Amino acid sequence: GAGVSQSPSNKVTEKGKDVELRCDPISGHTALYWYRQRLGQGLEFLIYFQGNSAPDKSGLPSDRFSAERTGESVSTLTIQRTQQEDSAVYLCASSFGQNHEQYFGPGTRLTVT
Amino acid sequence: AQTVTQSQPEMSVQEAETVTLSCTYDTSESDYYLFWYKQPPSRQMILVIRQEAYKQQNATENRFSVNFQKAAKSFSLKISDSQLGDAAMYFCAYRRGGNQFYFGTGTSLTVIP
Repeated sequence: GAGVSQSPSNKVTEKGKDVELRCDPISGHTALYWYRQRLGQGLEFLIYFQGNSAPDKSGLPSDRFSAERTGESVSTLTIQRTQQEDSAVYLCASSFGQNHEQYFGPGTRLTVT
Repeated sequence: AQTVTQSQPEMSVQEAETVTLSCTYDTSESDYYLFWYKQPPSRQMILVIRQEAYKQQNATENRFSVNFQKAAKSFSLKISDSQLGDAAMYFCAYRRGGNQFYFGTGTSLTVIP
């Protein structure tokens, strides 16, 4: 079946512009995670959605970052007024219920010039 | 705070040989999960193996096995009969009974033909 997909694959934007990154989780997966991976670094947790519960936003680095998810479907991560330090790969993952395995998408490489 | 440490930024192994990647973590919890993920150049994170902390038996998946030392908070990955396709970044990750995964900074594995 289809895995986690993310779009766009690559995004180049000018400093100060807003960007939207999209994640399509695996159908039926109730949990969805967003991570940021800076060059040469590990994954940094950003936000977590579980079903209809309030999201865990504790990893969002500033109020310029926000994310939405409609039910158990698509999620969008929005970065407003992008800064050069926002340049990174943004990874999305989904998982199902008590199964703790996360399935990752291929990521979106964001470059802020 | 939970932290995951991978002290080997880079490792290399001869094809068909065995290599061990190190990981230590810091936690005050007694029940948690540990994971090893592989990230090839395609950026797709792939679960290699996972270990539940309450299980004393070390997890094994084909050529991949772990040495889980709970008291020492150590979780190393052994790759036997290394293959060229094993070349990738390897990330150790920790998850307790909440939402967040904590990732190490990764080990880049090179397989020498």
